[in-house]
Amino acid sequence: GAVVSQHPSRVICKSGTSVKIECRSLDFQATTMFWYRQFPKQSLMLMATSNEGSKATYEQGVEKDKFLINHASLTLSTLTVTSAHPEDSSFYICSVPHGVSGNTIYFGEGSWLTVV
Amino acid sequence: GQNIDQPTEMTATEGAIVQINCTYQTSGFNGLFWYQQHAGEAPTFLSYNVLDGLEEKGRFSSFLSRSKGYSYLLLKELQMKDSASYLCAVGGGYNKLIFGAGTRLAVHP
Repeated sequence: GAVVSQHPSRVICKSGTSVKIECRSLDFQATTMFWYRQFPKQSLMLMATSNEGSKATYEQGVEKDKFLINHASLTLSTLTVTSAHPEDSSFYICSVPHGVSGNTIYFGEGSWLTVV
Repeated sequence: GQNIDQPTEMTATEGAIVQINCTYQTSGFNGLFWYQQHAGEAPTFLSYNVLDGLEEKGRFSSFLSRSKGYSYLLLKELQMKDSASYLCAVGGGYNKLIFGAGTRLAVHP
């Protein structure tokens, strides 16, 4: 079964509104989670690192005031797309490392966001 | 800077063997990952190499040369369901993954 749950899987919102996407680790705790964005026929682009107990670390070119990340607990990170525009329509997906070896990384199911 | 290169598209015939290459230049290295991704779905883990050499797992094998910044994914006995994108990713610090652009593989009968 899934070890990382992402919700919602699909969401349609109106331009100018905000939408929240959740990423949960099931049965294990995660101090770090990662958020990626993927446009059609392109690869996954790292947006930010979500850190439990501290501020998220954003990649260059990602607007921190537009993409709000909150690592609310050791099992939950949320990504809020604020004042959404059609160009924000994309596939958003989280990844969650598990263990200390560095080679076990689980992905959520992904969330399709369409802004109309 | 970070730079991960892999071919954009490849085609192959059912039953054949295909090799997808990946070269990388990154500021950190914590292993080389290969993922399979079907359109609209989450990536599926295929392999992980942290030491030089070949790792074999059924029809899939992955090779790494750290000194050359080079890896490849080898798919044997290709099946139609192997048509997908294959993503090369370098593990950075704190389990961060940096992905290449992906290789779209089309398997034909």
